[in-house]
Amino acid sequence: AQSVTQPDIHITVSEGASLELRCNYSYGATPYLFWYVQSPGQGLQLLLKYFSGDTLVQGIKGFEAEFKRSQSSFNLRKPSVHWSDAAEYFCAAGEGGSYIPTFGRGTSLIVHP
Amino acid sequence: DTGVSQDPRHKITKRGQNVTFRCDPISEHNRLYWYRQTLGQGPEFLTYFQNEAQLEKSRLLSDRFSAERPKGSFSTLEIQRTEQGDSAMYLCASSLARQGAVTEAFFGQGTRLTVV
Repeated sequence: AQSVTQPDIHITVSEGASLELRCNYSYGATPYLFWYVQSPGQGLQLLLKYFSGDTLVQGIKGFEAEFKRSQSSFNLRKPSVHWSDAAEYFCAAGEGGSYIPTFGRGTSLIVHP
Repeated sequence: DTGVSQDPRHKITKRGQNVTFRCDPISEHNRLYWYRQTLGQGPEFLTYFQNEAQLEKSRLLSDRFSAERPKGSFSTLEIQRTEQGDSAMYLCASSLARQGAVTEAFFGQGTRLTVV
């Protein structure tokens, strides 16, 4: 079955430190890939997307993600985390045909001052 | 365009009552999705429309749930005879589908349903 796995439920980093959130997918072909961020009680905001082409994707708020076909991964990175980055992060994937985004369970980012 | 809007933002209802939520997608988007999100989980797909046609429904969408998009614009999600297990955030999203490709989905703020 198609699925998206985010192995880390919580990640704690210090402000100014680098960040990497992991995402793995299980699809027959290369899916469309997304990272969304959600603040408490709010909807989801798109950070970045990968459809094809360059495997290193730049997004908003200084985030980037790298698609690695050999590892079925699409990890999210940020070189220096700000306190305002504390939120829930969701990886999602969609495949040809219906392209319905399927979400991982999310990773909660906690930022220490 | 202000993005995807959902109404109401919050709804508290008694068990057994019916509730209806509304979603207004981004105006040029022909695809509309409904998701459900419970605490500590990612959004789970419920159903989606392309224009006015409901093309897919998840097994999560029991017979008590019905969704419509009568004119291919706004959509409603109705839950009949609500149960406490229906308590969740209901998210609507929209995207543009054309010529076999689909853009990213843009989400609304969600409707938080509490069944007491």
